[in-house]
Amino acid sequence: GAVVSQHPSRVICKSGTSVKIECRSLDFQATTMFWYRQFPKQSLMLMATSNEGSKATYEQGVEKDKFLINHASLTLSTLTVTSAHPEDSSFYICSATGTGYEKLFFGSGTQLSVL
Amino acid sequence: KQEVTQIPAALSVPEGENLVLNCSFTDSAIYNLQWFRQDPGKGLTSLLLIQSSQREQTSGRLNASLDKSSGRSTLYIAASQPGDSATYLCAVRTSGSRLTFGEGTQLTVNP
Repeated sequence: GAVVSQHPSRVICKSGTSVKIECRSLDFQATTMFWYRQFPKQSLMLMATSNEGSKATYEQGVEKDKFLINHASLTLSTLTVTSAHPEDSSFYICSATGTGYEKLFFGSGTQLSVL
Repeated sequence: KQEVTQIPAALSVPEGENLVLNCSFTDSAIYNLQWFRQDPGKGLTSLLLIQSSQREQTSGRLNASLDKSSGRSTLYIAASQPGDSATYLCAVRTSGSRLTFGEGTQLTVNP
């Protein structure tokens, strides 16, 4: 199956700093990428959908200026958590799909801890 | 708005037992349904995908069924093993490639 690589797997940062998470499709062209957030013992909540070369579409309640998403190429999307606060601490997962794929392929997730 | 519910939230069984996980969804206009496995602190591993026109899919000891009209799916695990311990997530695909997830069933298989 197709491979999606997500980095870093874990990051600890101070409150007020910005953190960038990368999601790469290693062996296919990801025309669409999704970013999810997951709190402990809860399900995945979709934050935004990004299509290559276009602005991301954010879900209701997700702050665009806080969670910056860039999908500048067919193999890379980034999520930047700006001015992170402790309440942003969560598990973030990306997924990707491409033309002709029925499935979404998921990254291994990033555990963000904001002190 | 699509809502996905999974029952039970948690399940603990002895090794070797057969078990069934349940998933229900409110909007039957789906493209497909997927079952995923998630280990603690890890990403998702796709187990089975059932197209809306299909009734079931099988992979090894896993069998997933889909009754689209009633909004239900089940994941059957035969002869459970301790290595099956994980959280199992059900997700339905509706418009575009959007997935709506259930909250998962946390499975523990005891040796």
